[in-house]
Amino acid sequence: EVQLVESGGSFVQPGGSLRLSCAASGFTFSTSAMSWVRQAPGKGLQWVSTISGSDRNTYYADSVKGRFTISRDNSKNTLYMQMNSLRAEDAALYYCAKLRVGPRSDFDIWGQGTMVTVSS
Amino acid sequence: DIQMTQSPSSVSASVGDRVTITCRASQGIIGWLAWYQQKPGKAPKVLIYAASSLQSGVPSRFSGSGSGTDFTLTITSLQPEDSATYFCQQTDSFPITFGQGTRLEIK
Repeated sequence: EVQLVESGGSFVQPGGSLRLSCAASGFTFSTSAMSWVRQAPGKGLQWVSTISGSDRNTYYADSVKGRFTISRDNSKNTLYMQMNSLRAEDAALYYCAKLRVGPRSDFDIWGQGTMVTVSS
Repeated sequence: DIQMTQSPSSVSASVGDRVTITCRASQGIIGWLAWYQQKPGKAPKVLIYAASSLQSGVPSRFSGSGSGTDFTLTITSLQPEDSATYFCQQTDSFPITFGQGTRLEIK
């Protein structure tokens, strides 16, 4: 079964750090570009970051650049997002998603999301 | 950044109706556009990719069209299970951007 399962979401104070994980199964993870997309409660979808299958190319939204780092371990079929210097506006449900083909493609597989709450 | 503007922001229609949702990009994106359906408490699900390609398993009453800056998602013969929020997404260039969403209510 094709599946993405996120974990690592939690409650954190402003300025804190979290590492999200996304375990992939049922498809060839190592050649698949992957992304993180977030959704604040009651709001729309916001793309956060993308990493190519080869791990050579990474892309970030301006709002997280310099604070978040996307990475992957193809030997573990796992995608990560290291989130530092968290702000209240980072609070959201974080989805990992697989890109259909290359960077110019849609997200054809989504996980169920992991919740990040940032509050003092 | 490419801005994606969806209209309407909400729509109410009856079973069997035809519904059209539009998405306008602030600059040309050729056909690099996808449509997603999201139901409450669930992850988004892709319906249409590359502007007009139907995702496997998605009912044929869903269709997409357009190129350049103007795109349309059409749902013919609306069904109760189509009640959801619909988002467009441009994949032409980074940063990837989404429309603000259209909430579809079934009367």
